[in-house]
Amino acid sequence: GQSLEQPSEVTAVEGAIVQINCTYQTSGFYGLSWYQQHDGGAPTFLSYNALDGLEETGRFSSFLSRSDSYGYLLLQELQMKDSASYFCALYNFNKFYFGSGTKLNVKP
Amino acid sequence: GAVVSQHPSWVICKSGTSVKIECRSLDFQATTMFWYRQFPKQSLMLMATSNEGSKATYEQGVEKDKFLINHASLTLSTLTVTSAHPEDSSFYICSASPAKGLQETQYFGPGTRLLVL
Repeated sequence: GQSLEQPSEVTAVEGAIVQINCTYQTSGFYGLSWYQQHDGGAPTFLSYNALDGLEETGRFSSFLSRSDSYGYLLLQELQMKDSASYFCALYNFNKFYFGSGTKLNVKP
Repeated sequence: GAVVSQHPSWVICKSGTSVKIECRSLDFQATTMFWYRQFPKQSLMLMATSNEGSKATYEQGVEKDKFLINHASLTLSTLTVTSAHPEDSSFYICSASPAKGLQETQYFGPGTRLLVL
């Protein structure tokens, strides 16, 4: 099976940089995705890592290290609208398995 | 592009009734659609994977006779919660992976909130 762990909550101030970690256990997977979900809304896709290393998409970057079973999402120049829950998800055999989610609180 | 709709967005029903939720990919064809359930302040739990024209694959612990999934076309999948009970109250979200393009990408619908009284 798959298991993914994330910190439950992170708080940061506007304009800062924050890193949300994801550690996982799996017998194999194709890649690691990150999703954002605002309260009451559906998840939206942020980033996907098929290979080790850093993927950058605007203010968001995602990193994967298969040898360490670890990934992270990096958010730069935090804005109030970034307050949301963030989920990592493993993509494996045409399925997605989600982590427990991290609630990001951005304060002015 | 890549829009997925769900209908209804909100449903309240009496215990024992059945509820059907539709998931449509509006501007792309979806080989695979996924159904998730999310309880408040919790993660998304994959319920089942449906492929057009074939039977859905259910995750362990999900009753296939209670949660009926039909993937009738490349743009439509339905989830029917049969004989709903209060414990089935949850946020149900579908997602779709495009038939062409990145298979590891999934686009989510807006979700359906089900309240069973």
